[in-house]
Amino acid sequence: KQEVTQIPAALSVPEGENLVLNCSFTDSAIYNLQWFRQDPGKGLTSLLLIQSSQREQTSGRLNASLDKSSGRSTLYIAASQPGDSATYLCAVEVGGSARQLTFGSGTQLTVLP
Amino acid sequence: NAGVTQTPKFQVLKTGQSMTLQCAQDMNHEYMSWYRQDPGMGLRLIHYSVGAGITDQGEVPNGYNVSRSTTEDFPLRLLSAAPSQTSVYFCASRFSGGYNEQFFGPGTRLTVL
Repeated sequence: KQEVTQIPAALSVPEGENLVLNCSFTDSAIYNLQWFRQDPGKGLTSLLLIQSSQREQTSGRLNASLDKSSGRSTLYIAASQPGDSATYLCAVEVGGSARQLTFGSGTQLTVLP
Repeated sequence: NAGVTQTPKFQVLKTGQSMTLQCAQDMNHEYMSWYRQDPGMGLRLIHYSVGAGITDQGEVPNGYNVSRSTTEDFPLRLLSAAPSQTSVYFCASRFSGGYNEQFFGPGTRLTVL
C-alpha cells in the first residue's frame, strides 16, 4: 500500500528565507505527484504537478523536484513571505480507473514577518 | 468559472440522521471524487466517478452513497450518520486521462453528535 510521509510536520522561518519541504513515498510506481496548499478552514489549491517522467516543475518562487527511484520529492520556496504561511500537502497519484491521490499529512509552514 | 462548489459549508447532525452533501463543477470535468480529511490521517478517497452514470468505491466507502446523473453534479449521501463520520469532506474534479491536476472545493465541515 502506498504511503506518503512529509517531514517536518511544522516549520517556522523568518521572512525572506529560502526553504525546502520534503515528501517521501513508498511505491515508486506513481503516475504523477502533486503539491497543494491548504489555508486554515479552506480547500486545497494545486501548486505544481510533476509527471512521473519529469524531474521538476517551476512556478514563480516555487520549484518542485521528483526522484521516483528514491521515492522523494521536494518543494523549494524562494524568498519566503508571510503570505506563504499555510499547510503544504504532497500527494501521489497511481494509475488505474480510480486515479486515487494518496496524501501525506502535510507540513504546516509559518513565515514570520 | 466558479470551479468546484460545495454546500453546505457547515452541518451538525444527530446520530442516525441522513443528509446529502452537494458538489458541483462548471469545468466540464469527467472525473469527480469525494475525500474526507481527518487529523493525523490525511485525505482519504470515499467514492469517485469517471463520468455521468458511472461511480465506484474508493478507500473508505462504508456509510456513504453517491450517484452521478449529470457531468456537473456529484452528491454524497450519508445514509445513517455516525460519530465516526465527523470530518471535513472535500469534493474534487479533473479531466480524465493524461496528467491533469485535481481541483478541490472549499469543503464541508460535518459534526455528528
